Amino acid sequence: GQQVMQIPQYQHVQEGEDFTTYCNSSTTLSNIQWYKQRPGGHPVFLIQLVKSGEVKKQKRLTFQFGEAKKNSSLHITATQTTDVGTYFCAGPAGATNKLIFGTGTLLAVQP
Amino acid sequence: DAGVTQSPTHLIKTRGQHVTLRCSPISGHKSVSWYQQVLGQGPQFIFQYYEKEERGRGNFPDRFSARQFPNYSSELNVNALLLGDSALYLCASSYSVWQFFGPGTRLTVL
Repeated sequence: GQQVMQIPQYQHVQEGEDFTTYCNSSTTLSNIQWYKQRPGGHPVFLIQLVKSGEVKKQKRLTFQFGEAKKNSSLHITATQTTDVGTYFCAGPAGATNKLIFGTGTLLAVQP
Repeated sequence: DAGVTQSPTHLIKTRGQHVTLRCSPISGHKSVSWYQQVLGQGPQFIFQYYEKEERGRGNFPDRFSARQFPNYSSELNVNALLLGDSALYLCASSYSVWQFFGPGTRLTVL
């Protein structure tokens, strides 16, 4: 079945350092969504990318969708302690709205 | 506006029992999806309902069932609970493609 993998599983950074998580799907995706889940919380929608090669920015966060629409990345510039949490990518399974979540990357930021 | 609400927030059950989890979507959202999130993993899709009809089912046994009511709220039922059913159960409502998650119900099966 369709699988969505993320690397790394865990990253520990010093506050102010940059962070990147990579997402790879076994199948082409019609769109990719990114969610953030704080410890003890629930996933919160961050952004959706639809077009091949699309790049979107939200303040210090930069999201990219690969040309083949099978991979994506999230880059955070100058991390802050508020960035702590698990970042998930998610893509729809086939032509459905069923979301397949990636394995997640847990980000720890040391002040 | 109120977000997605779920009840109860926490639940402790024993093996073999059944459980009903409830979800109220954001006003105006007609689609509700249920996910199971085991500690340390990403959410796994269980069901999606739209306009009271099942639109999708994940790879979960028949012990899991759900329904959606005319007011678009939804229930997830799990029968014959197993230890492995211990997880955070998330409900998400959507108007278009992206989903808004509720706080979840933490189910512990002893």
